[in-house]
Parts: sequence; C-alpha cells; structure tokens
Amino acid sequence: NAGVTQTPKFQVLKTGQSMTLQCAQDMNHNSMYWYRQDPGMGLRLIYYSASEGTTDKGEVPNGYNVSRLNKREFSLRLESAAPSQTSVYFCASSLNRDSSYEQYFGPGTRLTVT
Amino acid sequence: AQRVTQPEKLLSVFKGAPVELKCNYSYSGSPELFWYVQYSRQRLQLLLRHISRESIKGFTADLNKGETSFHLKKPFAQEEDSAMYYCALSEAGYGGSQGNLIFGKGTKLSVKP
Repeated sequence: NAGVTQTPKFQVLKTGQSMTLQCAQDMNHNSMYWYRQDPGMGLRLIYYSASEGTTDKGEVPNGYNVSRLNKREFSLRLESAAPSQTSVYFCASSLNRDSSYEQYFGPGTRLTVT
Repeated sequence: AQRVTQPEKLLSVFKGAPVELKCNYSYSGSPELFWYVQYSRQRLQLLLRHISRESIKGFTADLNKGETSFHLKKPFAQEEDSAMYYCALSEAGYGGSQGNLIFGKGTKLSVKP
C-alpha cells in the first residue's frame, strides 16, 4: 500500500516548456487535490477533483490544467512553464470531499523553472 | 474570505519546555480546524483535528470560537517534535467548497537539546 505517489520527484524546466506531473493513489479514494507550496506561503490549492470525471478550480488555477484520468490518477499539466511556477507541488487524496475526511499527501515534486 | 494566520514563522524552544503554536482564523460559518505536520524528509500528515478532541503525540488543540483561535500546545517538547506545522481550515459539511483546506503559512518548530 504505497498511499499517494508522485512522479517525478524533481524537475527543471526552461521558460515556455511544458510538462505533466503525475499523481496516483491506491486507497480507493474518490477525491484528489493538487497544491503548490511556496516559501512563506503555505499550501495553496490549484485544482481538485471531487470524484472521477469531475475537476474544479482551486485558489490558484491560472497556468495549469488537470486531468482525472481514472479513479486512481490525477495529473497536473503546465502548458507553458513560467518562473513564477517554481514551487513544490503536492498531490493529496481523501475518501470524499467532506471535511471530516483526512487528506493524505504525496511526497511532492520540486519544480524549478529557469 | 476565509483566512488562517500563523503569526510565528519560527518557534525555538528547549527540550522539556512547553510549546504553543498559534493559529487564528477568520470565517463566518462553521469551520473545521486541523493541524498538519511535516517532519524532515517526510510527507505532510494530519496531526489532529478539533472535532476529535484528542491528544496526539502529547499535542492538544482547543477551538476557541470567541477568540477564533486553534492554538496547538504541548506541555513538554521533545526533540522529535521539530517539524513544520500547518494550521488548516475547512468549511464543515459537504458540497460546494466544503472539504477544501485553507492552510496557514506554517510555523517551523525547533526543539533544542
């Protein structure tokens, strides 16, 4: 039982390049989330998927797209990376989006855009 | 707008001393409050939530609606408590934006020997 896994762990991009961050969970959770963590800013929600087949914007969605590929997988795409997107990205999942359910986090992807 | 404030970026205490990590929130409805912790080289994990009213690893947190606070306390800090602590708020219930977590900026706790 790996929980929430993310790939890659590290990535360096040049401005304008695109990439997809992958996230998968093996806990049969319905809801999944993408956050970014910046120094001194805490975690901010980028997008979430309440259930398979649905996605919604969070607090900071600009510059990102997401795909809920199936119940297990939730990917985050940067179409044209910008230095402002340098951050640590965390994927999380929860059984449902009710606030009583704990969110489980992945190990993070450290992205640098030069 | 919902907001979570952790006024201290860094809190440094000696082993055995009491520790209190402050968290204040602004929310007009019925919030649910959480403390998440991130130890060095580990992933973020839930420490405790106010509805459980439990003590985890010696930590407790009481929701004070009058002061809109949810401070995390431990009477005797241990070196293994050194970590990054995040206070988070969620709207209670289900549907809409409920279930989305709003995080504070975090407090780094350093417990010295």
